[in-house]
Amino acid sequence: AAGVIQSPRHLIKEKRETATLKCYPIPRHDTVYWYQQGPGQDPQFLISFYEKMQSDKGSIPDRFSAQQFSDYHSELNMSSLELGDSALYFCASSSGGAPEAFFGQGTRLTVV
Amino acid sequence: KNQVEQSPQSLIILEGKNCTLQCNYTVSPFSNLRWYKQDTGRGPVSLTIMTFSENTKSNGRYTATLDADTKQSSLHITASQLSDSASYICVVSPRNFGNEKLTFGTGTRLTIIP
Repeated sequence: AAGVIQSPRHLIKEKRETATLKCYPIPRHDTVYWYQQGPGQDPQFLISFYEKMQSDKGSIPDRFSAQQFSDYHSELNMSSLELGDSALYFCASSSGGAPEAFFGQGTRLTVV
Repeated sequence: KNQVEQSPQSLIILEGKNCTLQCNYTVSPFSNLRWYKQDTGRGPVSLTIMTFSENTKSNGRYTATLDADTKQSSLHITASQLSDSASYICVVSPRNFGNEKLTFGTGTRLTIIP
């Protein structure tokens, strides 16, 4: 069965650079969530989209932005990267009519 | 204070033994509670999901229980296998469908030794 696809799997950037993470939800899923998981920490909710509109916002820095496109894939744009942005970034998707959320494998971002 | 607390933080057991992981939550309102298994550096994988009206749910060797009155849940693993070594995360959803923000627990790191 198709799962949530994230790309790239690994990314290395320098401080002050920009990064774009992509998430392709499970087909027919209309909701996408982004999470940030620092080393040894539980995932922190960043932002979510439902039917291409932002539905909820968590601890997402102002340097980050995200959107959901017409094909329901989502992109997380991160600018002016800082060392503290190094983390695993997870995307999850769900269908508005069901409570189950499925996670992607994550993108490991390393800022040097 | 984290709204979802798990215990123990870490656990080491012998292969073939059973174990029980605990989750206490204060998230309100409460819609559903999930248990995820997360291998290091990988995305969480759903094990069980229960609404407030469900008391127990099984998925193979995994059995989750929920007491909505005391706001406690447990995950029982029977006949543990080496592949069960992972972090187990209790996740609570405060609202119902479509617009939910999951609240993650602190996780229990389980290690199975041969």
